[in-house]
Amino acid sequence: AAGVIQSPRHLIKEKRETATLKCYPIPRHDTVYWYQQGPGQDPQFLISFYEKMQSDKGSIPDRFSAQQFSDYHSELNMSSLELGDSALYFCASSGPGLALETQYFGPGTRLLVL
Amino acid sequence: QKEVEQDPGPLSVPEGAIVSLNCTYSNSAFQYFMWYRQYSRKGPELLMYTYSSGNKEDGRFTAQVDKSSKYISLFIRDSQPSDSATYLCAMSGLTGGGNKLTFGTGTQLKVEL
Repeated sequence: AAGVIQSPRHLIKEKRETATLKCYPIPRHDTVYWYQQGPGQDPQFLISFYEKMQSDKGSIPDRFSAQQFSDYHSELNMSSLELGDSALYFCASSGPGLALETQYFGPGTRLLVL
Repeated sequence: QKEVEQDPGPLSVPEGAIVSLNCTYSNSAFQYFMWYRQYSRKGPELLMYTYSSGNKEDGRFTAQVDKSSKYISLFIRDSQPSDSATYLCAMSGLTGGGNKLTFGTGTQLKVEL
């Protein structure tokens, strides 16, 4: 079965640079979630989108922005990167609809900020 | 204090043992309870999903929810070395716009031969 696809899988950036992470949800899933997982920590919710509209917002820094496109893929844009942004970034998808169904996670993008 | 508390372990058991993993939570709004398994450097993999109180069984896995005590458990029977991973409990409620998950810190499990 098709899973959530994330790209790139690994990314190395320097402080103050910009990074863009991409997420392609499972076919027919219309809700996308972004989570950040620091070393040895649990995933923390950043932001979610349903039908291309932001549906919820968590502890996402103002330096980060995200959107969902017409094909339901989503991009997380991170600017003015800081050392503390080094983490695993997961995308999850669910749907169709806002039914209370489970989220399926992608393999993650490992971001290292030097 | 975190909304969801989970013993981080590590928990080491012999092959074939019954494993019990637990989480407690403080937010009464949580209605949906999930268990994810995460191997090192991989994405969380959904294991079990339950709604409200009760038990749910799937093969060697049994999920148990006690909403009155705000306590959930995952039991693994006949544990295998391939079960060695970090187990994360996760919860969500009716937020009115998507179901963000709140995770426990994860319990690291090692099943030894």
